[in-house]
Amino acid sequence: DSGVTQTPKHLITATGQRVTLRCSPRSGDLSVYWYQQSLDQGLQFLIQYYNGEERAKGNILERFSAQQFPDLHSELNLSSLELGDSALYFCASSTSGRNAGELFFGEGSRLTVL
Amino acid sequence: KNQVEQSPQSLIILEGKNCTLQCNYTVSPFSNLRWYKQDTGRGPVSLTIMTFSENTKSNGRYTATLDADTKQSSLHITASQLSDSASYICVVSAPWNYGGSQGNLIFGKGTKLSVKP
Repeated sequence: DSGVTQTPKHLITATGQRVTLRCSPRSGDLSVYWYQQSLDQGLQFLIQYYNGEERAKGNILERFSAQQFPDLHSELNLSSLELGDSALYFCASSTSGRNAGELFFGEGSRLTVL
Repeated sequence: KNQVEQSPQSLIILEGKNCTLQCNYTVSPFSNLRWYKQDTGRGPVSLTIMTFSENTKSNGRYTATLDADTKQSSLHITASQLSDSASYICVVSAPWNYGGSQGNLIFGKGTKLSVKP
């Protein structure tokens, strides 16, 4: 158990819909990363937050947004969903925001868009 | 061109055999190099983290090597077990303000290892 909690574990929805994925980092970790992994693909970086502030942004679609709350949990919002958004979405946390220390990944949220 | 290249893309070995996975990178400068193991459908788990001054690091049957001069790393798995079947991902950590679409953690695409009985 990495200590990073992601909910929901599985989500099935229709095209055009909006979903919210939630991540609770390890206790004490200030930094949260979001990654997308499509079937048999590598991990694609979406966005990083550190202590509530956006730290780095990857190729995140405009339909996607995220935030980190004062209690350090983070949410990834995916809207106007398309079939191609079907993927595993991973959250990872670390203590550091700059030179990232040990990264701990959650078990992911599997999104299926029908 | 991907800044972190892993080879082979996939590998099948028999249980009990050894294998070596390769990672070549162009990221410079870099803070550290990590190897992760990802079981199918699960989150990656850290195996080793090495700074540029470290040449070798072991974690049980896993031994990672790093040559910062040639920008190459390898992960050697000894006496493979069926549970070693997974994807192995090389990640290079760049300075925090490295920028680019990958942030400061540059991921390779992984090597998919299958261990057969």
